[in-house]
Amino acid sequence: AQSVSQHNHHVILSEAASLELGCNYSYGGTVNLFWYVQYPGQHLQLLLKYFSGDPLVKGIKGFEAEFIKSKFSFNLRKPSVQWSDTAEYFCAVASVGRRALTFGSGTRLQVQP
Amino acid sequence: EAGVTQFPSHSVIEKGQTVTLRCDPISGHDNLYWYRRVMGKEIKFLLHFVKESKQDESGMPNNRFLAERTGGTYSTLKVQPAELEDSGVYFCASSPTGGGYGYTFGSGTRLTVV
Repeated sequence: AQSVSQHNHHVILSEAASLELGCNYSYGGTVNLFWYVQYPGQHLQLLLKYFSGDPLVKGIKGFEAEFIKSKFSFNLRKPSVQWSDTAEYFCAVASVGRRALTFGSGTRLQVQP
Repeated sequence: EAGVTQFPSHSVIEKGQTVTLRCDPISGHDNLYWYRRVMGKEIKFLLHFVKESKQDESGMPNNRFLAERTGGTYSTLKVQPAELEDSGVYFCASSPTGGGYGYTFGSGTRLTVV
């Protein structure tokens, strides 16, 4: 069975600080990888996704993530966070050919102005 | 286009009662998914419809949960009888045929069983 670990449950940063949120998954086969974000009072939105090719993927709002196959990791990064990045971030995986997503427990990011 | 609509947005019921959650996907989206998040834990997959057929219901926790998708349009998720551990946020998502993982999520229904 697949599982996803997000090690940071709550992160507090000041504006302009750099962000890295960890995500590790457990699955022996080929996976598709995702980061979703939920801003306060809003629905889940896709930040970025990795299917194949360049392991460094860029998403919306300046976010990027790097897939490291040997480490089963897909960490999310942003060089300089803004107050508007305050949200909850979810890493998710899906085995190729299956549409169901397996999510991590989420990381709540609080950016202080 | 209109997004995925879920209602009610909140529901508080007593243990043993029945609750029905509804999801209206984006028009024309054949794929419809239900997920839930319990007590701030991970969001867990419940099931996947393709049109009116259940494609994958491996995540349904037990037979107190019944999902239907009438005519391949909106979907309902009924919990009968509700238990305390059913409290959480129930999310619906939809995607078009061939849309891969291009999900659009609804805002969720927060269910509280007391």
